[in-house]
This record gives sequence, structure tokens and C-alpha cells, in this order.
Amino acid sequence: KQEVTQIPAALSVPEGENLVLNCSFTDSAIYNLQWFRQDPGKGLTSLLLIQSSQREQTSGRLNASLDKSSGRSTLYIAASQPGDSATYLCAVRPGGGSNYKLTFGKGTLLTVNP
Amino acid sequence: EAGVAQSPRYKIIEKRQSVAFWCNPISGHATLYWYQQILGQGPKLLIQFQNNGVVDDSQLPKDRFSAERLKGVDSTLKIQPAKLEDSAVYLCASSLGLAGGGYEQYFGPGTRLTVT
Repeated sequence: KQEVTQIPAALSVPEGENLVLNCSFTDSAIYNLQWFRQDPGKGLTSLLLIQSSQREQTSGRLNASLDKSSGRSTLYIAASQPGDSATYLCAVRPGGGSNYKLTFGKGTLLTVNP
Repeated sequence: EAGVAQSPRYKIIEKRQSVAFWCNPISGHATLYWYQQILGQGPKLLIQFQNNGVVDDSQLPKDRFSAERLKGVDSTLKIQPAKLEDSAVYLCASSLGLAGGGYEQYFGPGTRLTVT
């Protein structure tokens, strides 16, 4: 059974800092990995999707890497801003067969202080 | 492009009552998902539809939960009777095709259910 762990559970940083959020998964046979952002009382917003054959994806100040063999992904946020404050979730989709459901971690609650 | 719409946004009911949630996916999206997110947890998939057929409902508590997607567009999720542990946010998501195509899932704002 796939398990996804996110460390740390919460992180508080001053504005302008670069930071890294970590995600690990137990079964390396994944099809893709997706990072989401969730604001309080809101749904999930997809940030980056990395296919299993890719090593990283970039969007603006965000960079996500994937090391499938070791079961790890990181989300790097450059020059953090107060507007980045949210919960960040990673999710993996299993590879092969007809099992398409995403398995989510519990998330990292990020607070960026002005 | 309009996003995934859900209603109601909030619902408070007493245990043993019934409740229904509605979802309208992004136009043209064939795949629709219902997730349950308990406070402090990541979302858990309850059911996945491809058009109007069920692809995966292995984690749906079928003794009390039911879902349908008539005409392959809108969907409703029902709980009857509700239990205290059903208190959660119910998220609807959609994607262009089966997630096996690598298509991203787009989420609605969710319905926050409180069972007292």
C-alpha cells in the first residue's frame, strides 16, 4: 500500500527566504507526482505535475524535483512571499494497471511572515 | 474557463440525517472524482467516474454513501444516514481523461460538512 509522508508538518519563515518542502513515498512504481496548494476553506490548486520519466518541473518561483528510485520529491520555493502562506500537498498516482487514484500526504502548513 | 463548481459550500446536519452534495465539472472533462478530506489529513478518493461509469469506488462506504453521474456531466454524492465521523470537506475534481493519460486533476472549492 502506497504511503506518502511530508516533512515538515509546519514551517514558518521570514519573507524573502528560499525554502524546501519534502515529500517521500514508499512505492516507487508511480506514474506521476503532483504538488498542490490549499488555502484555508478552499479547494486544491495544482502547482506542478512531474511525470515519472522527468526529473524536475519549474513554474515561476517554484521548482519541483523527483527522484523516483529513492521515493522522494522536493518543492523549492524561491524568494518566499506572504502570499505563499498555505498548505502544500503532494500526491502520487500509481503506475500501471487501472488504479488511477491519487494518494496524498498530510501536507505542510507554510507561513511566510512579512 | 470556468472551474469545478460545488454546492453547498457548508452544511450542518445532525447524525442519522441525510445530505447530498452537487458537483459540476469543467466543461469537456470526462473524469470526475469525489474526495473526502478530514481535518489535518490529505484528501482520500471516494469514487471516480469516467463519463457516467464508475471506475473506482473501492474506498466508498457503500452502506451509507452513494454517488451518481447521470448523463456524464454533473454528479451528486449522498450520505444516508450520516455519522459523526463523516464530518469533513468533500472535494470534487475533474480531469480531461482517465488520470492514466497524465491529465491533471482540477479541484472545486469543496463542501464542508459538520455532523453534530
